[in-house]
Amino acid sequence: DTAVSQTPKYLVTQMGNDKSIKCEQNLGHDTMYWYKQDSKKFLKIMFSYNNKELIINETVPNRFSPKSPDKAHLNLHINSLELGDSAVYFCASSTRGFYEQYFGPGTRLTVT
Amino acid sequence: DQQVKQNSPSLSVQEGRISILNCDYTNSMFDYFLWYKKYPAEGPTFLISISSIKDKNEDGRFTVFLNKSAKHLSLHIVPSQPGDSAVYFCAASDFGNEKLTFGTGTRLTIIP
Repeated sequence: DTAVSQTPKYLVTQMGNDKSIKCEQNLGHDTMYWYKQDSKKFLKIMFSYNNKELIINETVPNRFSPKSPDKAHLNLHINSLELGDSAVYFCASSTRGFYEQYFGPGTRLTVT
Repeated sequence: DQQVKQNSPSLSVQEGRISILNCDYTNSMFDYFLWYKKYPAEGPTFLISISSIKDKNEDGRFTVFLNKSAKHLSLHIVPSQPGDSAVYFCAASDFGNEKLTFGTGTRLTIIP
């Protein structure tokens, strides 16, 4: 009974392509996040949504566009993929006002 | 500008002994601190947290200590078990910021 799930787990694609990563949580949380873990293993926030509203948008290229159809889902669409986008992307969720965030298993994106 | 630092990339400890993982931060606005544990190919899992109004929090074998004047926190695991072998991330947040700022992690290896 997975709490935060992501699909796909692995994604290999060529430069210039457009791809999406999906995230779903069944914890009843109202806030969801996307994090990027780069090659140096540094985990950094990209976006956060609360009840489908964008509340955090860090300095991320506008090729990255998050979409939240409802508070249980947060998808990440990436246009014109570049080599530097290769990383592991983690989705997380929490209840607003509580610091603890719960993470999905990650999606390893490889751009060739 | 890394606001949360874990200066030891790795640590090896004998089974049954105490493991001590350290974390330093620079942002005096941080008021809540968390430790996450991560196994390979999985997402980070919340372990234990501490508010800045406390200096110690315990949960079973895990204890987190916070020294605000030194901007330093540590995670103690006693006794260490083989299943504790993982990467441990320290994270921090300030109230209302909605995001976690992570350290780069410490790989803990428990030697049987």
